[in-house]
Amino acid sequence: ETGVTQSPTHLIKTRGQQVTLRCSSQSGHNTVSWYQQALGQGPQFIFQYYREEENGRGNFPPRFSGLQFPNYSSELNVNALELDDSALYLCASSLGRDVQFFGPGTRLTVL
Amino acid sequence: AQSVTQLDSQVPVFEEAPVELRCNYSSSVSVYLFWYVQYPNQGLQLLLKYLSGSTLVESINGFEAEFNKSQTSFHLRKPSVHISDTAEYFCAVRHSGGGADGLTFGKGTHLIIQP
Repeated sequence: ETGVTQSPTHLIKTRGQQVTLRCSSQSGHNTVSWYQQALGQGPQFIFQYYREEENGRGNFPPRFSGLQFPNYSSELNVNALELDDSALYLCASSLGRDVQFFGPGTRLTVL
Repeated sequence: AQSVTQLDSQVPVFEEAPVELRCNYSSSVSVYLFWYVQYPNQGLQLLLKYLSGSTLVESINGFEAEFNKSQTSFHLRKPSVHISDTAEYFCAVRHSGGGADGLTFGKGTHLIIQP
């Protein structure tokens, strides 16, 4: 059984660019949640996908969007990057509303 | 909406001493409670959870936490810490009702084990 994986590990972008982060959920899980963890802070909920549909959203603007695919993997897209978007982006998978298991994260730096 | 307060940003403890990491939450509905641990440059690992039943929950590596509904707390304890316990610890809550949701995390407590 493989755990949650994320790619890339690190990413550097410039302000105004767009970025796509990827997540493969744990085997058997159908729900993916995305979190943003700024330096020195706890993770903040961005949104959740269940069976390919957005199933809940935190307090993030529409330029944060996502997709979930039939194999339950997921993408997080961020448009018009801002300096404050620099953070560790964490993906978590679960079976429905069961316990969430986290991936190692993608470190995004916006210059 | 829920919120989580972790009262201590850092807790220094000597090796083999006991430790308590405090967590208080605020919610207008019933919640599930979690403790996650984050080692440097890694993602979050589930340490333990309270969903229902016994208010005292234990992990396989010696940590325990007690859900106290009247005090809205879920403090994490370990009777004797080891150097390998050095990490960031996050308390999190999620409402127990139906529908979509995400975890609400505290700001974390950095546990520093001193030899």
